[in-house]
Amino acid sequence: GIQVEQSPPDLILQEGANSTLRCNFSDSVNNLQWFHQNPWGQLINLFYIPSGTKQNGRLSATTVATERYSLLYISSSQTTDSGVYFCAVASGGSNYKLTFGKGTLLTVNP
Amino acid sequence: SQTIHQWPATLVQPVGSPLSLECTVEGTSNPNLYWYRQAAGRGLQLLFYSVGIGQISSEVPQNLSASRPQDRQFILSSKKLLLSDSGFYLCAWGDLSYEQYFGPGTRLTVT
Repeated sequence: GIQVEQSPPDLILQEGANSTLRCNFSDSVNNLQWFHQNPWGQLINLFYIPSGTKQNGRLSATTVATERYSLLYISSSQTTDSGVYFCAVASGGSNYKLTFGKGTLLTVNP
Repeated sequence: SQTIHQWPATLVQPVGSPLSLECTVEGTSNPNLYWYRQAAGRGLQLLFYSVGIGQISSEVPQNLSASRPQDRQFILSSKKLLLSDSGFYLCAWGDLSYEQYFGPGTRLTVT
């Protein structure tokens, strides 16, 4: 099956800093989502982005499908951005079966 | 708007006891439904998915089963729990574009 690698595994920032999270995948995808898991375990949808670029406030994401990677940008980070960020992909005829990366644990210190 | 509910929120069960976790979705019809498990250490693993009533596909052979008795209801069950069944169980629904939305989860501890 498709492999998903996220980097870095852990990231510590000071409030106000910017960051870039990366997601590499091993095959062409027709579904790619970014999630934020908050400290209570809730998975929050950030972006549905199998290709192209999207922005939502301080967050933006870019997927370069031909080169098999996606980037999540967080600008002017806040303590509430802390948590685990997951990339999940689906490929082939199973575009409804998501495979998750192991996530990036982001800690934003005040 | 669509809402997804899961209950209970937390559960502590002894080894060998049965399990029933419930997930319901409001505000949509004929959704794809999913059960995932997140063990300690982060990764999410797809356990079951359903594209319609009575249609269940299993991704991982294990001690668990799933059923979909109604269009917007998805149930995860076990006849006898194992210690290895402990984890955080998440239900999700998918729309026509296959974007998935997750419920609040059930934290299961098997003792």
